[in-house]
Amino acid sequence: EAQVTQNPRYLITVTGKKLTVTCSQNMNHEYMSWYRQDPGLGLRQIYYSMNVEVTDKGDVPEGYKVSRKEKRNFPLILESPSPNQTSLYFCASSLSLAGGPYEQYFGPGTRLTVT
Amino acid sequence: AQSVAQPEDQVNVAEGNPLTVKCTYSVSGNPYLFWYVQYPNRGLQFLLKYITGDNLVKGSYGFEAEFNKSQTSFHLKKPSALVSDSALYFCAVRDLYNQGGKLIFGQGTELSVKP
Repeated sequence: EAQVTQNPRYLITVTGKKLTVTCSQNMNHEYMSWYRQDPGLGLRQIYYSMNVEVTDKGDVPEGYKVSRKEKRNFPLILESPSPNQTSLYFCASSLSLAGGPYEQYFGPGTRLTVT
Repeated sequence: AQSVAQPEDQVNVAEGNPLTVKCTYSVSGNPYLFWYVQYPNRGLQFLLKYITGDNLVKGSYGFEAEFNKSQTSFHLKKPSALVSDSALYFCAVRDLYNQGGKLIFGQGTELSVKP
C-alpha cells in the first residue's frame, strides 16, 4: 500500500529533551515536507526537501532540523523542544515538481506535547 | 503573496441535503488548487485538484469543486451529504515558485452533517 508513515503518533516530552520524529514514504517521491497544524492557523510548512541531500527552510523553521540522507526518509529533529512547539505535525511527500503540481500525500500525524 | 481563505469556520447541513464549503484564493499566475479532508485522528486525505481545463472538477467520495476565475473561488460541493462526511476540510494552493512548491492552506472548515 502506498503510504507515508510517521512515528511516534503521540509524544509527551519535557522542555529541552531532544527528540526525533521519523517519516518514511514508499512511493519513490522526490519531494518531502514537514508541516505543523495549529488551531486557527491551518498548516504551515516547517522544512522541505526537493531530493536527497537537498533541504531548505519553510515558513516556521526555528527550533527544528531535518535531514534527507535517503530518498524515502525525512526525519524531523527538535534539538531542544520548547512548549511553543506543542502541535500536530504532518509529513508529506509528492512527485517532483518538474513534472507538474502534483498533490501531496500526508502521513497520519504526530501529536507532540512539550511540558 | 499567495493566500487561501475559508470564510466559514463551521458548516452544518442535514443528511441528504447538498453541501458547499467555500474557498477563495489570491495568487499570481495560474492557481493550482486542492481540497483535502481530515478525519479525527487521521492525516489529510487528498480529495481533488484543479490544474487547468474544465471548471468543474470531480474527486473522491462524490465530492466536486467548481473553479471560478472571475470570483477567485474554488468551492467544494456534494449533491447529497452523508453523516460520514463530517470532518475538517482544507482548501490549499500549491505555490510552485516558493519553498519547493509548498501548499498554502486555508484555516479549515469543520463540516457537521446531522442525521
